[in-house]
Amino acid sequence: DAGVIQSPRHEVTEMGQEVTLRCKPISGHDYLFWYRQTMMRGLELLIYFNNNVPIDDSGMPEDRFSAKMPNASFSTLKIQPSEPRDSAVYFCASSLWQAIGGYTFGSGTRLTVV
Amino acid sequence: QKEVEQDPGPLSVPEGAIVSLNCTYSNSAFQYFMWYRQYSRKGPELLMYTYSSGNKEDGRFTAQVDKSSKYISLFIRDSQPSDSATYLCAMSARGGSEKLVFGKGTKLTVNP
Repeated sequence: DAGVIQSPRHEVTEMGQEVTLRCKPISGHDYLFWYRQTMMRGLELLIYFNNNVPIDDSGMPEDRFSAKMPNASFSTLKIQPSEPRDSAVYFCASSLWQAIGGYTFGSGTRLTVV
Repeated sequence: QKEVEQDPGPLSVPEGAIVSLNCTYSNSAFQYFMWYRQYSRKGPELLMYTYSSGNKEDGRFTAQVDKSSKYISLFIRDSQPSDSATYLCAMSARGGSEKLVFGKGTKLTVNP
């Protein structure tokens, strides 16, 4: 298996622009998580899905952030409009329900908003 | 008080040293405790997990949980340069794919 695949690996955008991050989870995994990592705040859970349904989006910082999972093999995280404080590494992770803590993370998307 | 506290380091040790990494937590409901390792420019990967209190050993790595003190540790024996990474503790109250609360991570460098 190729693991969790995220794209793009790097994204540099101007403030105010729309940014879309993409994730392909491991086939067969029924949970998908979006995390954001910064030096100041560490890893923060933004939202997670179970069987394509959003379960908890309490970590989404503002209405500028939205996430979708239209099918079991694809998810997007969108930021519109983007702001410099959104600069971070965004990770997608997937797991099986019975896998205690056994998340498989992607390599992340490094987002820079200038 | 944050739910999980972890000293960010950095921690620098010579090859062969014993390394001790620690986290404290405030939520007494946590029962599942994990350690993740994150290499530079990569996503975290699960290293070990422990349920409730006690020790768990895997090769050169030992995880300890003291629920009475709300304190967990990861020990690395005979540390190697390849162990240089950031180590994150993580915990949850329920098993399965319960959302995890992560520490900020401790950056470790093992010098040859």
